Amino acid sequence: ETGVTQSPTHLIKTRGQQVTLRCSSQSGHNTVSWYQQALGQGPQFIFQYYREEENGRGNFPPRFSGLQFPNYSSELNVNALELDDSALYLCASSPGTSGRGIKETQYFGPGTRLLVL
Amino acid sequence: DQQVKQNSPSLSVQEGRISILNCDYTNSMFDYFLWYKKYPAEGPTFLISISSIKDKNEDGRFTVFLNKSAKHLSLHIVPSQPGDSAVYFCAADKFNFGNEKLTFGTGTRLTIIP
Repeated sequence: ETGVTQSPTHLIKTRGQQVTLRCSSQSGHNTVSWYQQALGQGPQFIFQYYREEENGRGNFPPRFSGLQFPNYSSELNVNALELDDSALYLCASSPGTSGRGIKETQYFGPGTRLLVL
Repeated sequence: DQQVKQNSPSLSVQEGRISILNCDYTNSMFDYFLWYKKYPAEGPTFLISISSIKDKNEDGRFTVFLNKSAKHLSLHIVPSQPGDSAVYFCAADKFNFGNEKLTFGTGTRLTIIP
């Protein structure tokens, strides 16, 4: 069973550019969440996708968007990059709702470190 | 508005002794709490969790205590081992059927001294 993988590991962009980050969920997981971790901070929830539909969003502007594909892999897109977007972007997958209200643990990938110059 | 707070950025503990990491929260809607551990260049790894209907949960060397009236939780590691050196994040969630949308604290860097 493979874990959560993310690509690329590192990325450098300039202000105003657009970026796409990718995540491959753990096998059997249909839910993916994206988090932004700025330096010295804890991860902040960006949004979550469940079976290709957005299932909740944190306090991030619309220039942060996402996609989840039928194979449950996912993308995070950020348009019009700003200097403050420099951070570690983490993807986490989970098995999704069990139908019994059981909390499912999220499994995190290693992250993509984005630097905006 | 920091709803989950870890007021100690770092902690050093002698190997074999007890490590106690603390976390406070302000949102009374939170009803599920987790601890994650993070090594450099890796994603956070789930350690242990506790539901608000309990006040203690134990898993091997790790025990989490929850004091709802004080909106405080703590993670106890006994005995501490060198491999426990990492950044520990406390996270909280409002019950959302099946899936977690976690609110994290800023982390505590734990260093175990051999």
